[in-house]
Amino acid sequence: AQSVTQLDSQVPVFEEAPVELRCNYSSSVSVYLFWYVQYPNQGLQLLLKYLSGSTLVESINGFEAEFNKSQTSFHLRKPSVHISDTAEYFCAVSPRGNTPLVFGKGTRLSVIA
Amino acid sequence: GAVVSQHPSRVICKSGTSVKIECRSLDFQATTMFWYRQFPKQSLMLMATSNEGSKATYEQGVEKDKFLINHASLTLSTLTVTSAHPEDSSFYICSARDGTDISPLHFGNGTRLTVT
Repeated sequence: AQSVTQLDSQVPVFEEAPVELRCNYSSSVSVYLFWYVQYPNQGLQLLLKYLSGSTLVESINGFEAEFNKSQTSFHLRKPSVHISDTAEYFCAVSPRGNTPLVFGKGTRLSVIA
Repeated sequence: GAVVSQHPSRVICKSGTSVKIECRSLDFQATTMFWYRQFPKQSLMLMATSNEGSKATYEQGVEKDKFLINHASLTLSTLTVTSAHPEDSSFYICSARDGTDISPLHFGNGTRLTVT
């Protein structure tokens, strides 16, 4: 079975400051890793994913995440946040195959002006 | 890109009534769809895996007679909350992949169910 731990439930940060949202996972098999973002009363939108290859993956809006196999981590980072980045962020894993995702509990990112 | 449409976005119903939530894949075929439930300020919990043309697979602790899932076509899965109670009030989200197992899940916008 897989599990995901997001250590920080809430992360407040000032606008234009850097941020890191932490994610650790546990799995006995190879997994795919994802970050999703959720705005209030909406579904989830894929932010970025790691399937294989380069361990550093980037999104179109400035976020990046690095897969670290030895530390079983997939932390999400952004060098300079905007007010519009305020949302809930979920880290998720799935084993290979058409299987559902297992989600972490989410991290609420609040960007302060 | 792939789109999953979920309807309705919000529904209020009285205790004892049933509510149907639809999940459609708009531009792709989905042999498998996943239904999640999200409690306020919590993560998404998988309820069941909906398989086109066969019975859904429910997660432990989810009552299959209460949460009826029907996946009659490759583009539509429905979740019916039967005899709803206030504790069923929650945010329900469906998802599907648009291709191989390495495709990411696409999510509907969710349905906010309030049972009074």
